[in-house]
Amino acid sequence: NAGVTQTPKFRILKIGQSMTLQCTQDMNHNYMYWYRQDPGMGLKLIYYSVGAGITDKGEVPNGYNVSRSTTEDFPLRLELAAPSQTSVYFCASSYLSGGSGIQYFGAGTRLSVL
Amino acid sequence: KNEVEQSPQNLTAQEGEFITINCSYSVGISALHWLQQHPGGGIVSLFMLSSGKKKHGRLIATINIQEKHSSLHITASHPRDSAVYICAVSGDTDKLIFGTGTRLQVFP
Repeated sequence: NAGVTQTPKFRILKIGQSMTLQCTQDMNHNYMYWYRQDPGMGLKLIYYSVGAGITDKGEVPNGYNVSRSTTEDFPLRLELAAPSQTSVYFCASSYLSGGSGIQYFGAGTRLSVL
Repeated sequence: KNEVEQSPQNLTAQEGEFITINCSYSVGISALHWLQQHPGGGIVSLFMLSSGKKKHGRLIATINIQEKHSSLHITASHPRDSAVYICAVSGDTDKLIFGTGTRLQVFP
């Protein structure tokens, strides 16, 4: 019963460094999402995927990249980290598309860029 | 103006009290979601509804499509209900639009 697993849980980056946030799900969901959560703000969609090999931009994609080579995995890549990317990142998956299905969330990755 | 507005932003209650959290939205929707974010940060879905009312244990969610309004009620509140409650709607893009959340603290 793993559900959606995110790693790492915490990370501190220096400005200009890069990293990959890992996300994997074992529910055979086609739909996967990356969100960021900033203090006092609602969750914002960064990128999403409707199936292996298919990804698309969400509301706040700048500074991020994704890939979806398998149904299970949906990594989020940060290139040239900036302080504005300090946030909590959540990966989610669902059986049905976006708003039509319940989304299952990972535990989150707390990222600080200093 | 945000497309999804929640009120209140913060709420404190004594154990046993009846709690109401409100969500208003300004877009046409296909569904409305209520989620709970635990103090440790994890997010779980509580309800997804497009009409009427749903109940799960001490939690009740209602929606009025004409008024573009939903409420989440907690009966006989308990300290373990302390969390952030988030309302989200899916509009014509079929992506979720999230409110900023209501922070609930229930004291013994």
